[in-house]
Amino acid sequence: KNQVEQSPQSLIILEGKNCTLQCNYTVSPFSNLRWYKQDTGRGPVSLTIMTFSENTKSNGRYTATLDADTKQSSLHITASQLSDSASYICVVSNRADSWGKLQFGAGTQVVVTP
Amino acid sequence: DAGVTQSPTHLIKTRGQQVTLRCSPKSGHDTVSWYQQALGQGPQFIFQYYEEEERQRGNFPDRFSGHQFPNYSSELNVNALLLGDSALYLCASIAYVRDRGETQYFGPGTRLLVL
Repeated sequence: KNQVEQSPQSLIILEGKNCTLQCNYTVSPFSNLRWYKQDTGRGPVSLTIMTFSENTKSNGRYTATLDADTKQSSLHITASQLSDSASYICVVSNRADSWGKLQFGAGTQVVVTP
Repeated sequence: DAGVTQSPTHLIKTRGQQVTLRCSPKSGHDTVSWYQQALGQGPQFIFQYYEEEERQRGNFPDRFSGHQFPNYSSELNVNALLLGDSALYLCASIAYVRDRGETQYFGPGTRLLVL
């Protein structure tokens, strides 16, 4: 069973609207959680990274939250743009794997329509 | 992409052939991880190289092998290609930051199609 579950699997939103993506994880112990944006056929690009002590992190119109107690994270996209159409992947690092073996979610495919 | 380069960008092979993919990490990064990403799925960890040795390995058969060179660049080799090996292969360049853990930067990937 995947230790990182994302929802919804896909999402269609109108340009200018907001949306929120969810990530639940069971990875333990926990080191950090990242959200990546991946355009089709391209490598993932980091949006945010949060450690155990951080519960919110913003990067422009992207705001990530983390509740380490409930092991949940969300990524909120504000005033969506057509360029936000991509897959958004939640990635969790296990402190026991100290050298970069990450647990990936399957991603949420976001489509922004005019 | 952040300075990580991969080659080639696209590749078409037939079943049974062998393929070599290449990755140059971001300057100053000495650790490289390789991932396989099937269409519509998240990346799956293949293995990681540090100091020219395989440090960790995911659930991939021995047909998948790798190498890291003294300049930290890396190769991924896949033998006896299967149709199911068709995927985007991602290389991640890694540096370890005190108190924050590792920082990973992904390359643009190599799209492999096996016919």
